[in-house]
Amino acid sequence: EIVLTQSPGTLSLSPGERATLSCRASQSVSIPYLAWYQQKPGQAPRLLIYATSTRATGVPDRFSGSDSGTDFIFTISRLEPEDFAVYYCQQYDSSPPTFGQGTKVEIK
Amino acid sequence: EVQLVQSRAEVKKPGESLKISCKGSGYSFTTYWIAWVRQMPGKGLEWMGIIYPGDSDTRYSPSFQGQVTISADKSISTAYLQWSSLKASDTAIYYCARHEVVGATQSHLDHWGQGTLVTVSS
Repeated sequence: EIVLTQSPGTLSLSPGERATLSCRASQSVSIPYLAWYQQKPGQAPRLLIYATSTRATGVPDRFSGSDSGTDFIFTISRLEPEDFAVYYCQQYDSSPPTFGQGTKVEIK
Repeated sequence: EVQLVQSRAEVKKPGESLKISCKGSGYSFTTYWIAWVRQMPGKGLEWMGIIYPGDSDTRYSPSFQGQVTISADKSISTAYLQWSSLKASDTAIYYCARHEVVGATQSHLDHWGQGTLVTVSS
């Protein structure tokens, strides 16, 4: 199965700063089959980005996704207080679908 | 409005059986795959398997094959996850979630249930 490695494990930033998260796959993952989710404590995950760069319905445009060739990148352009959470990438190109271990974005 | 509503939290003893549920509403339940995802305490997300309620076609992750059974009753728009003999290591939150792409086995998960906490302890 494909292993997704997210980095960093924890990102300590202040509101208004830019957050850049990475997700590296152990095997090739096609661009249409990579998603990002946000999870806050005590809540279910929420879909933010799918097909690498397409925002889900209602997701603010400060959230974006891209592909750097070797890594998938998730960016929050300016952190809002409600953005501090754990973020997971997921590939659904190869079965079984797998998730990264998560990146926690915490308030500095 | 699409909703997935899961059954309440459960506390069980090792060796007991359990079946938890996920009821869909606000969309055509039979035409979207439903996934089950495990989250152990303080840990990340693990994909367990999927079911197509229209014909009950089911796929499992190798890690969960033989450990759980996924089923569905399309007449009441409900998917299930069950165990025949629980272990302490089954303690986790279990989420159901819907594939966004109609009929597709490969899809992101656009709507999630609220999660069911299963605690297995003697």
